[in-house]
Amino acid sequence: EAGVVQSPRYKIIEKKQPVAFWCNPISGHNTLYWYLQNLGQGPELLIRYENEEAVDDSQLPKDRFSAERLKGVDSTLKIQPAELGDSAVYLCASSLDRHTEAFFGQGTRLTVV
Amino acid sequence: AQKVTQAQTEISVVEKEDVTLDCVYETRDTTYYLFWYKQPPSGELVFLIRRNSFDEQNEISGRYSWNFQKSTSSFNFTITASQVVDSAVYFCALSEPGGKLIFGQGTELSVKP
Repeated sequence: EAGVVQSPRYKIIEKKQPVAFWCNPISGHNTLYWYLQNLGQGPELLIRYENEEAVDDSQLPKDRFSAERLKGVDSTLKIQPAELGDSAVYLCASSLDRHTEAFFGQGTRLTVV
Repeated sequence: AQKVTQAQTEISVVEKEDVTLDCVYETRDTTYYLFWYKQPPSGELVFLIRRNSFDEQNEISGRYSWNFQKSTSSFNFTITASQVVDSAVYFCALSEPGGKLIFGQGTELSVKP
């Protein structure tokens, strides 16, 4: 069974440019998460979806970040415009439901220069 | 508020030594889940174990074992006869009833041959 797939793996952009990350969760997983991981830190939740509904986006900086999960499957996370401080690894994860273990993708390492 | 503390930032051992990674958590919820994840240099978070708050039985899986003690709010992880391939960052995490995972800062384990 395929795991969580994220693309791209690496992205380098100039500040003020837009950037988008894509995530394909494990088939059948209703819950999808986007996490942010800074160097030397544990991941922090940005947004959680139950099917296509965003049920927890309290940590998402809504002035520049947006996310969507069309048809309750794939998801896209966008930053516009990017700032230097956005350099980090963006992790996508999915689980059967909010009580079961989450499986993570390999992440997208973003560098803003 | 929920919190996970991994006091050991880095641990270095020689192959075949046993090593214990500490995890202390704080929560007011009576129902919660505890997790351990491994993050090798490739970056992907690998799920190791999930424990619910009502099950204090210790668990063993091969060289891995987990000690859950509600009385001390701890969920420690022991690797017996460590191997070089065990080198990674290990994260302890607590799940809120809503499903949000709260991670500790991680413990970087280095196993030297």
